[in-house]
Amino acid sequence: SQTIHQWPATLVQPVGSPLSLECTVEGTSNPNLYWYRQAAGRGLQLLFYSVGIGQISSEVPQNLSASRPQDRQFILSSKKLLLSDSGFYLCAWKFGSGYEQYFGPGTRLTVT
Amino acid sequence: LAKTTQPISMDSYEGQEVNITCSHNNIATNDYITWYQQFPSQGPRFIIQGYKTKVTNEVASLFIPADRKSSTLSLPRVSLSDTAVYYCLVAGGGDSNYQLIWGAGTKLIIKP
Repeated sequence: SQTIHQWPATLVQPVGSPLSLECTVEGTSNPNLYWYRQAAGRGLQLLFYSVGIGQISSEVPQNLSASRPQDRQFILSSKKLLLSDSGFYLCAWKFGSGYEQYFGPGTRLTVT
Repeated sequence: LAKTTQPISMDSYEGQEVNITCSHNNIATNDYITWYQQFPSQGPRFIIQGYKTKVTNEVASLFIPADRKSSTLSLPRVSLSDTAVYYCLVAGGGDSNYQLIWGAGTKLIIKP
């Protein structure tokens, strides 16, 4: 069976500090991978998606970046965090041509 | 580009059938409609997906009229554990131009 991992679960970072969130998927090959952000009490905002190693598409211009160094690894980064980067970050994957996405447990980021 | 609109919140009682409607007037020919459930501090969980007419699984039904400009998620005989936020997602465009249009979510509160 497939599982998706995210870490850390919670993170408190000062403004201007760097960020690295990691997501890994087990039990599948060549998945589509996604990074979402969810502000408190709000809906999901798609940040990045990837259809393969080294292939990243950005949906929203911002100070965040994403990388996919391995087939089942997706990393979200920032060089300098802003207060507005606070939120609940979710990684998701899907397989094939369907639209059913599977989400990880999320990372709660608070920028102070 | 399709935009999805859902009611912000709904209340119901245990044992009742709940219908949540999502409007997506500009849905494209190759877009699918998917519904997710999210509990606090968790990632969304897939409920059901459809393209047209009616789809039913063990937890819900999805009704899509012929013009596909709206869809209705039907939850039969809800219980307190169905209290959650429900998201409508319109997705299409193929892997090379992936478009994911999430609704803002409907907060469903089930009362005893």
